Amino acid sequence: ETGVTQTPRHLVMGMTNKKSLKCEQHLGHNAMYWYKQSAKKPLELMFVYNFKEQTENNSVPSRFSPECPNSSHLFLHLHTLQPEDSALYLCASSQDWAGTTYEQYFGPGTRLTVT
Amino acid sequence: GENVEQHPSTLSVQEGDSAVIKCTYSDSASNYFPWYKQELGKRPQLIIDIRSNVGEKKDQRIAVTLNKTAKHFSLHITETQPEDSAVYFCAASGGYNKLIFGAGTRLAVHP
Repeated sequence: ETGVTQTPRHLVMGMTNKKSLKCEQHLGHNAMYWYKQSAKKPLELMFVYNFKEQTENNSVPSRFSPECPNSSHLFLHLHTLQPEDSALYLCASSQDWAGTTYEQYFGPGTRLTVT
Repeated sequence: GENVEQHPSTLSVQEGDSAVIKCTYSDSASNYFPWYKQELGKRPQLIIDIRSNVGEKKDQRIAVTLNKTAKHFSLHITETQPEDSAVYFCAASGGYNKLIFGAGTRLAVHP
């Protein structure tokens, strides 16, 4: 499969559950991102990884825990979430050279519902 | 940090008319300004982008203009078609590999 893929596409979890979202990019990029998209809100940047190193944590609660084992894979581990965490979680990737910002390619997203 | 404001939040036009969406940014160091289109239930996709060393860029029916002095940039869609109906997001680079997005404009093109 090409581009950026995300699994699962839909997830329903209780507040006491632990689950993980997975993202994989097949574009040879070296930067990966997690965004949260809620209804009627801008895309909110959560985490940025560059060459597997976290370069941005946008004041995200600790119940969201990212993991980037290599430049092609990105995970978001979820535990003890709140109903207000229900949203579309989008993964993206981009090239990054010498600090220049390039186009970000988005995955299809995981629709998360916390009950 | 960077802040991006986008107007209008909704825009309704007749097929064939032009549509204009405007964004302002706060950080004068921002140098990259992409526009994304998100159709219902789909992922955001880049439709056009501009860097700060350019004032205008066109791609068929789509154009983007940038005014660095005023810190605003605009998306222009001419000869709109029903398939242009979507949510459009502007963004500005807000530091190392970081994009700050506007709140989005829901464009409806009526046949």
